[in-house]
Formats: sequence, structure tokens, C-alpha cells
Amino acid sequence: QLQLQESGPGLVKPSETLSLTCTVSGGSISSSSDYWGWIRQPPGKGLEWIGSIYNSGRTYYNPSLKSRVTISVDTSKNHFSLRLTSVTATDTAVYYCARHVLAVAGTPGEWFDPWGQGTLVTVSS
Amino acid sequence: DIQMTQSPSSLSASVGDRVTITCRTSQSISSYLNWYQQKPGKAPKLLIYAASSLQSGVPSRFSGSGSGTDFTLTISSLQPEDFATYYCQQSYSSFTFGPGTKVDIK
Repeated sequence: QLQLQESGPGLVKPSETLSLTCTVSGGSISSSSDYWGWIRQPPGKGLEWIGSIYNSGRTYYNPSLKSRVTISVDTSKNHFSLRLTSVTATDTAVYYCARHVLAVAGTPGEWFDPWGQGTLVTVSS
Repeated sequence: DIQMTQSPSSLSASVGDRVTITCRTSQSISSYLNWYQQKPGKAPKLLIYAASSLQSGVPSRFSGSGSGTDFTLTISSLQPEDFATYYCQQSYSSFTFGPGTKVDIK
């Protein structure tokens, strides 16, 4: 059973860089045909896709965050990571990682499944 | 950007009720629409993909329909464990989520 687990600091100072890692178990990033993504949710608010990465390192990002986001993958450790620079209080959120399932033949669309449990990152001095 | 709306934003219902949630998009997205359930303090869980396909392990009381700009999620007989917030998500152009519909106990 595929499981994902986020890890990283729960508190980041304004203007600094948020760094999180998602460790995948029960499956291999390197042999997967799917992408791996990050999604966030500010407290009491909705969901926002941040970006996704393939095992080759190919990435695509939400245009609204692209200038501050880097997602990387380490297949030897079976994990992928998120870096968000120049954070402000508006970046305070629960950050989730998820498998980003690509469309299969005859099925339209892409979706996120399963998700990690999420980790709250607070931006505050 | 594709804008998404959900209606209602919240609803109160009783166990056994039939519940319908609507998701509308600002432009046609064919069937590129998914539905998630989120319980307080938990991660979202995929219920429906490609507008009407039931994810493995999801009870058959959940169903999805629609295409183009109008979509619905239906719970045929609401169970106690179904009280949660439901989100739609489009993947036609980038990836965006609807604002959510909270289903609580009447």
C-alpha cells in the first residue's frame, strides 16, 4: 500500500526558505509512471496545487508560485522535496504531498491519490 | 485561468438523506473533473475521478456526473461517516480546486 509522509520544520521565519520532504513507502518513485505533487491548504481555507515532479526530474509549477518554488526528487532515497523561498505569513498552511496520477488511456484528466497526512508550516518571527 | 464554484457552500442533512453538490467551471473542461472528501484534521481522499469513475474502495453510494461546465456529486443515502467537506478539482488546464462544500449534521 502506497504511503507518503511529509517532514520538515513547522516554523519558518518571514523572508526565509521553507523546505519539506515527502518520503514514499510501499512503492518506488523511480519505477512509477506517475508524477509526485505538493498541495497546500491555509488554515480554514481551500486547496492550492503548488507543483509536481516526475522521476526524471521534469517539473511543472503553479504559475502563481513558480518564481519561488523548486521541487526536486531523489530516487535513491525514494523521496521528493519542496523549497519555497521568500516566505510570508500568507504561506502559512498545511502542506500535503501526493501521488499525481497521470491520465491513463481512455480516461480523461489527472488526479491526486493518495495523500500524505500533511504538515503544518507556520511563517512567523 | 479556470474559475471554479461549488454550491451550496454548506448544507445540513440527516442520515439517510440524498445529497447533491454542484461544481461549475468558467469554461468547458470535458470530463476532467475529480471529487475529494476531507474530514477535519485529515488529508483529502479521492472519491471520483474523470467526472464519474468511482475510486477503488469508495462506497457505491457516492456517484458523480456531468461534463463540460456543470458537474454533480451525489451521495445516495448519507451515512454518519460522510459528514465532511467535499472539493471538486479540475485538471483540464493546470490544476485548481473548488472552494468546498461542508456537509454537516442537521
